[in-house]
Amino acid sequence: EAGVAQSPRYKIIEKRQSVAFWCNPISGHATLYWYQQILGQGPKLLIQFQNNGVVDDSQLPKDRFSAERLKGVDSTLKIQPAKLEDSAVYLCASSLESATDTQYFGPGTRLTVL
Amino acid sequence: GDSVTQMEGPVTLSEEAFLTINCTYTATGYPSLFWYVQYPGEGLQLLLKATKADDKGSNKGFEATYRKETTSFHLEKGSVQVSDSAVYFCALRADSWGKLQFGAGTQVVVTP
Repeated sequence: EAGVAQSPRYKIIEKRQSVAFWCNPISGHATLYWYQQILGQGPKLLIQFQNNGVVDDSQLPKDRFSAERLKGVDSTLKIQPAKLEDSAVYLCASSLESATDTQYFGPGTRLTVL
Repeated sequence: GDSVTQMEGPVTLSEEAFLTINCTYTATGYPSLFWYVQYPGEGLQLLLKATKADDKGSNKGFEATYRKETTSFHLEKGSVQVSDSAVYFCALRADSWGKLQFGAGTQVVVTP
């Protein structure tokens, strides 16, 4: 079974530029999560989708971050404009349904904002 | 709010030594507790979990017991190998939608 796929693996941009990350969850997984992991910290949930609807986006900085999950499959997370403090690893995870199912994580995208 | 506190690293051990990583939590209600592991260059993987008080999770020689009275979920392994070198994250799940709350992670380095 293929795991969670993410691209790109690495991205370097300058502040005020925009960037987009892509995630393809495990086939059949209804729930998709985006986490932000700043160096030296644990992952923090940014947004959670159940199929193509948003369940929780309470910690998403909506003035600059946006995410979508068209057709309830793959998802894109965008940052526009980026700030220095957005430098982090962005992790995508998926689970079969939600609350009681194991979350499977992708390898992450490492973003560096200069 | 809910939170997880785990011991700071790095923890450096010799092969075959005993490993303990402390984890305590604060949560309303009765969370599920997890240990995730992140090997170099790889994504997070679930190592073990426990869903109620006194449950013991185990996998790959690692164990952790859900202690409600001390709000703890310490990770232990009796004899570590070089291949156990990784960053270990303690996490809890307290809401009905599955959101995970992670600790800061503990790096473990095992030397031959």
